[in-house]
Amino acid sequence: EIVLTQSPATLSVSPGERVTLSCRASQSVSDYLAWYQQKRGQAPRLLIYHASNRATGIPARFSGSVSGTDFTLAISSLEPEDFAVYYCQQRTNWSSITFGQGTRLEIK
Amino acid sequence: QVQLQQWGAGLLKPSETLSLTCGVYAGSFHNYDWSWLRQTPGKGLEWIGEINHSGSTYYNPSLKSRITLSTDTSKNQFSLKLRSVTAADTAVYFCARGILSPDTAFDSWGQGTLVTVSS
Repeated sequence: EIVLTQSPATLSVSPGERVTLSCRASQSVSDYLAWYQQKRGQAPRLLIYHASNRATGIPARFSGSVSGTDFTLAISSLEPEDFAVYYCQQRTNWSSITFGQGTRLEIK
Repeated sequence: QVQLQQWGAGLLKPSETLSLTCGVYAGSFHNYDWSWLRQTPGKGLEWIGEINHSGSTYYNPSLKSRITLSTDTSKNQFSLKLRSVTAADTAVYFCARGILSPDTAFDSWGQGTLVTVSS
């Protein structure tokens, strides 16, 4: 099973700052990685698919990139509504879909 | 815009069968893949299984022996049955629409159902 390791577990930042969140895969997943945002009491929301493609309706301040097995989600200028938990997710075979353990973005 | 609405029993006793259904509204049912996932504070988000647009099913190997996924295409619904539940199956369960191939991303989700297993 491919393990996705997200870091840091928690990030304390101020609105307006730029942040980067990391997701490292235990083996190659090509670019088959997605990012989600989840707010308390809600279902996750798809932000990015195929490592760098924004989903429909996602603001341009969200961007994704990849280098080998290291994936990054960047938020260029944090808005108050961006404080949430972020997850990465992969699928590289039919019976294996896994998520990272999440990064919590909190207000400093 | 597609909406997923899910329902089912929220309180079960050990050894009972968890049964959840997800209705798909305002969107195509036949061209997409449909998954169930669950979330706990300890294990995070866990994919349970998928029934795809061809009717093929794929299951998380750790749950495969206890799961049945099915669809009712006449009603645009899909369902999950998880047999022989234990306290470890206590979680918030989500249905979701999968897009992309051969990988998957989940672009629409149900509202979530808290299922508690307790004697």
